[in-house]
Amino acid sequence: QVQLVQSGAEVKKPGASVKVSCEASGNTFTSYFMHWVRQAPGQGLEWMGIINPSGTTTKYAQKFQGRVTMTRKTSTSAVFMELRNLRSEDTAVYYCASQLGYCFGASCYSGDVDQWGQGTQVTVSS
Amino acid sequence: QSVLAQPPSASGTPGQRITISCSGSSFNIGSHAVNWYQQVPGTAPRLLIYSNNQRPSGVPDRFSGSKSGTSASLAISGLRSEDEADYYCAAWDDSLNGFWVFGGGTKLTVL
Repeated sequence: QVQLVQSGAEVKKPGASVKVSCEASGNTFTSYFMHWVRQAPGQGLEWMGIINPSGTTTKYAQKFQGRVTMTRKTSTSAVFMELRNLRSEDTAVYYCASQLGYCFGASCYSGDVDQWGQGTQVTVSS
Repeated sequence: QSVLAQPPSASGTPGQRITISCSGSSFNIGSHAVNWYQQVPGTAPRLLIYSNNQRPSGVPDRFSGSKSGTSASLAISGLRSEDEADYYCAAWDDSLNGFWVFGGGTKLTVL
């Protein structure tokens, strides 16, 4: 199973950007689609987007279009999520997760490959 | 408001069987497999059920999932105090170019 280790907590001012990293151990990582999910204090899970194994294709939740960029570096088995123009409502724990479920083109995945990082607290405060 | 509707809370006593519902549409549950997650506050979600009714290794058979049409359910039998947690359903949704969606979550209290 892939182990996912995320970067540490961040404190940012409104209007700033944050980039969270997620590093994987295990060579199967290179074949996995990776998701980013966030959870605001006391709230539910909110999907942000997905990136394909080669890093060439992404899908973002409509809410984050234009403000989020997901990338991956296959040489270091890492994925990154950058969120720009931060506001107080972006204060949340951000998780990376492998596979979960997805449909890309005619290909859909549903299975038990479902690993989560430990979460990264991002606090936006002036 | 999530496109997958769950009751905000559920409760039961030890040993009891409870179910949590998840209502969607033809764009998501009606067309795709459903996952269920358990989340203890302060920890990452844990996969309980995938592909509607499959349990990953290590998940007790007290947990079971089902799907019918555009709705899905999670059942927990022989309720235990350690089952007290938040539970989320999730599925792919074909609208808006496609996205993964979580239900709003159900907080389970073991009385």
